[in-house]
Amino acid sequence: AQSVTQLGSHVSVSEGALVLLRCNYSSSVPPYLFWYVQYPNQGLQLLLKYTTGATLVKGINGFEAEFKKSETSFHLTKPSAHMSDAAEYFCAVSSRSNDYKLSFGAGTTVTVRA
Amino acid sequence: GAGVSQSPSNKVTEKGKDVELRCDPISGHTALYWYRQSLGQGLEFLIYFQGNSAPDKSGLPSDRFSAERTGGSVSTLTIQRTQQEDSAVYLCASSFGGRVDNEQFFGPGTRLTVL
Repeated sequence: AQSVTQLGSHVSVSEGALVLLRCNYSSSVPPYLFWYVQYPNQGLQLLLKYTTGATLVKGINGFEAEFKKSETSFHLTKPSAHMSDAAEYFCAVSSRSNDYKLSFGAGTTVTVRA
Repeated sequence: GAGVSQSPSNKVTEKGKDVELRCDPISGHTALYWYRQSLGQGLEFLIYFQGNSAPDKSGLPSDRFSAERTGGSVSTLTIQRTQQEDSAVYLCASSFGGRVDNEQFFGPGTRLTVL
């Protein structure tokens, strides 16, 4: 079974600074990888996903993530934080055999300082 | 178009009571999922529907939990004899098909509080 670990439950960044959220997975076979964002009192929204092909994936709102098999990682970055990026971010994985079933990390709450 | 809707948005109940949570998926989406988001357990998969059938119920925590889907659309998650540990936000999602290429769209959730 695969699992996912997000390092850091809270991240605080200054507006305009780099956002880096870390995600590592544990699986014998590289899974499918996702990043979701949850704004207060809203449902989760898909930011980006990696299934196959190019390992650098670009998503919405200027976010991108890179799949690194050697490091079993899928870290999320954004070059310049905006106040609207304040939210909770979840890394998720699904196996290639049961790809409908998402397993989520514990989440990272991002606050953006003016 | 309309997204996934869930009702009620908040539910407070007493221990031992039964509750029903409703999910209206996006029209045309054949796959439907229930997840639970709680402080202790994070976000957990509960059940997956393809049409009206549930090929994966592996995440349901106990036999007090059941779910059904009718007409390939609306789904109801029922919790019988609620316990305090059932307190959580219950999220529903739907997708066009049950494959990874089909994005899961999430509803806003139902916050359940068991007193």
